Amino acid sequence: EVVMTQSPASLSVSPGEGATLSCRASQSVNTKLAWYQQRPGQAPRLLIYGASARATGVPARFSGSGSGTEFTLTISSLQSEDFAVYYCQQYDDWPGHTFGQGTKLEIK
Amino acid sequence: QVQLQESGPGLVKPSQTLSLTCTVSGGFISSGGYYWTWIRQAPGKGLEWIGHIYYSGKSYFNPSLESRGAISVDTSKNQFTLNLTSVTAADTAVYYCARVAVRRWFEPWGQGTLVTVSS
Repeated sequence: EVVMTQSPASLSVSPGEGATLSCRASQSVNTKLAWYQQRPGQAPRLLIYGASARATGVPARFSGSGSGTEFTLTISSLQSEDFAVYYCQQYDDWPGHTFGQGTKLEIK
Repeated sequence: QVQLQESGPGLVKPSQTLSLTCTVSGGFISSGGYYWTWIRQAPGKGLEWIGHIYYSGKSYFNPSLESRGAISVDTSKNQFTLNLTSVTAADTAVYYCARVAVRRWFEPWGQGTLVTVSS
């Protein structure tokens, strides 16, 4: 099983500032990495797939990068609606897709 | 576009069987090309993949749940169903259904349904 580790567990940022979230895989997943946003009481929403491609309707302030075992989600100029929990997920290891434990982005 | 909706009891007694159905609209499970998935999230916790099923019935299950779980598909109703036996409080979670292609991401997701295991 590919273990996904996200850091930090939580991050406090002021609106308008940027945030960088990290995700590490226990073995290479190439670029088969997705990021999801989950707001309270809602289902996860796909933000990024293929490590860097934005899903339909995702604002340009969200960007993903990385390959192999190290990945980053960057959010520039945080808006109020961006404060949520973010999960990375690998899909290289079919069928056992695994998620990171999440990073909670909080308002400072 | 494709939409998914979970349904089933919100309360299950310990040792009984949890049974949830996901109804797909806006597309047909029998069209192929995608697997249909169950994922769960315990209160305040992260996301756990449960299993996938194809329209043919071919399925995969999380090894940690395989001994208690099964997923079935009914293409005539455009639904797939999760059964999890011998539940305990540890199975209390929001259960989501989603669509996935092989070596692809989960998209879309259902809204989720909370199942509480309690006597």
